[in-house]
Amino acid sequence: QKEVEQNSGPLSVPEGAIASLNCTYSDRGSQSFFWYRQYSGKSPELIMFIYSNGDKEDGRFTAQLNKASQYVSLLIRDSQPSDSATYLCAVNPVDSSYKLIFGSGTRLLVRP
Amino acid sequence: DVKVTQSSRYLVKRTGEKVFLECVQDMDHENMFWYRQDPGLGLRLIYFSYDVKMKEKGDIPEGYSVSREKKERFSLILESASTNQTSMYLCASSFEAPSGPQHFGDGTRLSIL
Repeated sequence: QKEVEQNSGPLSVPEGAIASLNCTYSDRGSQSFFWYRQYSGKSPELIMFIYSNGDKEDGRFTAQLNKASQYVSLLIRDSQPSDSATYLCAVNPVDSSYKLIFGSGTRLLVRP
Repeated sequence: DVKVTQSSRYLVKRTGEKVFLECVQDMDHENMFWYRQDPGLGLRLIYFSYDVKMKEKGDIPEGYSVSREKKERFSLILESASTNQTSMYLCASSFEAPSGPQHFGDGTRLSIL
């Protein structure tokens, strides 16, 4: 059973701090990695994707991928109260053909 | 921007009814997906389609069927609705599967009474 694990949280950080969200996955051959943000009652919104080892930056967001250790992280710099949401990690296992496996999400709370 | 439109935000139906959920995307994407999302269970794939008239079962297809007659439209059908199908239903599309990102519609919150 392919798995994607996330700490459910809540992860509480003060406004302006760096929020670090982590995700581990079980399938070593996984190819593609995605981070989604989901506000309460809303649908998931894609914020980052990464395919290669290392860091990928987009504005205040940085995705970090370490395939050897099988984890992917999302850093949010200068966290704002509007960043308070659940963050879902999704992974494409090597043999899934079309599927993504989603983690259950980490709830982030940014305190003003 | 990718636009994925689901026909209803909220829907209330009765047990035993046949229920249709519609999804339309405007980006000429080959791949479309139906998920349901429940507290504590996360996102679970019901069905997906990689081309017109092509479909494959996801993780929880029982009690559901799908139809893809046109590239832009993917319908989810609850053949005989039951209370355990009360859930948030999410449609997504992607240009490239599996490596490409999936873009979600706003979701349909379905209640079966």
